[in-house]
Parts: sequence; structure tokens; C-alpha cells
Amino acid sequence: EVQLVESGGGLVQPGGSLKLSCSASGFRFSDSAMHWVRQASGKGLEWVGRIGHKPSDYETVYAASVQGRFSISRDDLENTAYLQMNSLRKEDTAVYYCSTQTYSGFWSAFYWGQGAQVIVSS
Amino acid sequence: DIVMAQSPDSLAVSLGERATINCKSSQSVLYSSNNRDYLAWYQQKPGQPPRLLIYWASTRESGVPDRFSGSGSGTDFTLTISSLQAEDVAVYYCQQYYTAPYSFGQGTKLEIK
Repeated sequence: EVQLVESGGGLVQPGGSLKLSCSASGFRFSDSAMHWVRQASGKGLEWVGRIGHKPSDYETVYAASVQGRFSISRDDLENTAYLQMNSLRKEDTAVYYCSTQTYSGFWSAFYWGQGAQVIVSS
Repeated sequence: DIVMAQSPDSLAVSLGERATINCKSSQSVLYSSNNRDYLAWYQQKPGQPPRLLIYWASTRESGVPDRFSGSGSGTDFTLTISSLQAEDVAVYYCQQYYTAPYSFGQGTKLEIK
């Protein structure tokens, strides 16, 4: 069973930085793509970015709204993905979900963690 | 970028009745090399993360009740709940996982009439 556990959320001032972690188990982490998706209170789901697996040279791609401010990385030995968030703005306040696509010939749809709350406020 | 549009935004259905949610993508999400539509449906209840219900437009995820079904191909898709149960009250999202950015529909809130 896919299990994803986010950590590192909290309160941060505008302009500040925060790093989220996502610990994975129950699937071959090294064969997966890892995503971050966020959801502001009462709003819909917004895809943030993705890091691919080793055959893709760990390619990253980001939503325009976070390009240049956020970065995603991964440690396949620790089965953990990260979201580094810099230059945070009030509009980045949201629950951040870690999600994964597994690969078995075809890429799967997304499986989700429980989420981590990030609040950007002075 | 692919834009996903769901209809309606909200829906009220009586218990035991059929619920239908539509999703339209601005371009095809059919991957020609494997003839699969990269379209998923998720259910989200208050305070919970999204839950995968349907992938490849019509394949039910393990453990999902068979009253949930997906149909469609190319750019037009439908999620159907054949007989609404009280526990189906939730917001439903479609998503294309064909290409980045992996966009979602705006969500459809399903309630009991």
C-alpha cells in the first residue's frame, strides 16, 4: 500500500523559506515520480511541481506560479522527497500534499499523502 | 497548458439516485502509443486528502465500490455514481496526467437532496 507522510509545515513570514519533507513507503520509490500539489482553504487543487525518476535524470518541472521560488528534490536512499519553498508569499498559504505516480510500464495516476499546512503570515 | 473544466459546479441528488459529473479537457489526453486516456477522478471529503477513484478514464481503483464508473475518451469524460449513498457526499475532481502542468478541474460538490 502506498504511504506518504509529509512533515515540516508551519507558520512562516512573507519572504521567508520553508522545507517540506515527504517520507514514502509501500512502493518502489526509485521508480516513481514525486509531485507536490497544494490546496488553499476552501479552494481546489493546484499542481505545484514534479521530480522524475533516475531514468529521466530526475527532471523537474514546476507550475508558473512557483517557478524560480520553489524547488523539488529527492533522496532515493532515504525514500524521501522534498519541497524547498523560498520567497514565500501570503498566497502560498495552503495545505501541501505530496503525491506519487508509480511506473509499471505506464505512469499511474496520483496517490496522496495526508498533507502539511503552510501558513505565510506576518 | 491543458485546461480542465467540470460541470456542474455543484449537484444535489437523492439517496439511491444516479449522479453524473462531466469533465472536459481543452485538448486530447489520449496517449496514442498505448491508446489510454490519462484522465483520473478523485474524491475529497472534508479534512481529508483526495482519494483516487478512477484512472485511465474508466479503470476503477482497487477497493472503490462498483457504483462508481468512468467513461469517455479524448476530451470528454464522465463520472457516474449509479446509486448515491450518504458516504458519497464529497467534492469530486478530474485531472489530466498526460502532460505537465498536471491540471485539475475546479471540482464538483456533491450533496444529498
